[in-house]
Amino acid sequence: KNQVEQSPQSLIILEGKNCTLQCNYTVSPFSNLRWYKQDTGRGPVSLTIMTFSENTKSNGRYTATLDADTKQSSLHITASQLSDSASYICVVSDRGSTLGRLYFGRGTQLTVWP
Amino acid sequence: EADIYQTPRYLVIGTGKKITLECSQTMGHDKMYWYQQDPGMELHLIHYSYGVNSTEKGDLSSESTVSRIRTEHFPLTLESARPSHTSQYLCASGLAGGTDTQYFGPGTRLTVL
Repeated sequence: KNQVEQSPQSLIILEGKNCTLQCNYTVSPFSNLRWYKQDTGRGPVSLTIMTFSENTKSNGRYTATLDADTKQSSLHITASQLSDSASYICVVSDRGSTLGRLYFGRGTQLTVWP
Repeated sequence: EADIYQTPRYLVIGTGKKITLECSQTMGHDKMYWYQQDPGMELHLIHYSYGVNSTEKGDLSSESTVSRIRTEHFPLTLESARPSHTSQYLCASGLAGGTDTQYFGPGTRLTVL
């Protein structure tokens, strides 16, 4: 069964600090991996997307890494801000269907305190 | 920001009522999706569509139904709401092919009393 596991489940950090969120997946055949940010009561918004051949992708203070061999990804947030408080969801797409099926993790709930 | 809209944003209704959750996108995307999400849990696909007059059930069994009469519109209907239907419903759309990026609407928070 294709799965996406994220850790930690929740995280609290102080404003200005860095943090790293983890994602392990078993989805196969692999197509791409995305990190989404979901603010409370809102829909997810894409932060980064990486295909098999990419091992790092940045979007401002967000940097995602991918190790397709070990099927692991991380999202590093630099110099956190209060607005970074949200759920960060790892989403993996397979190549096995024309639908573009997405497999969602449960997310890491990040809280940034002043 | 994606041009995909959902109404209502919040809905509180009694058991047995018929409801329709609206979803519209102005990006001309062929693919549209409905997800159900409970607090702290992952999104579950309940319906999807490849294009006009195409609808399929997703991974999670749902008593809801959908229709796709126009490209931009993908409404979800519950004929008789029950408390077990209480959840957040997210609509998404995307282009066919490519990286299959999906753009999400803001969601509808449904509470059935």
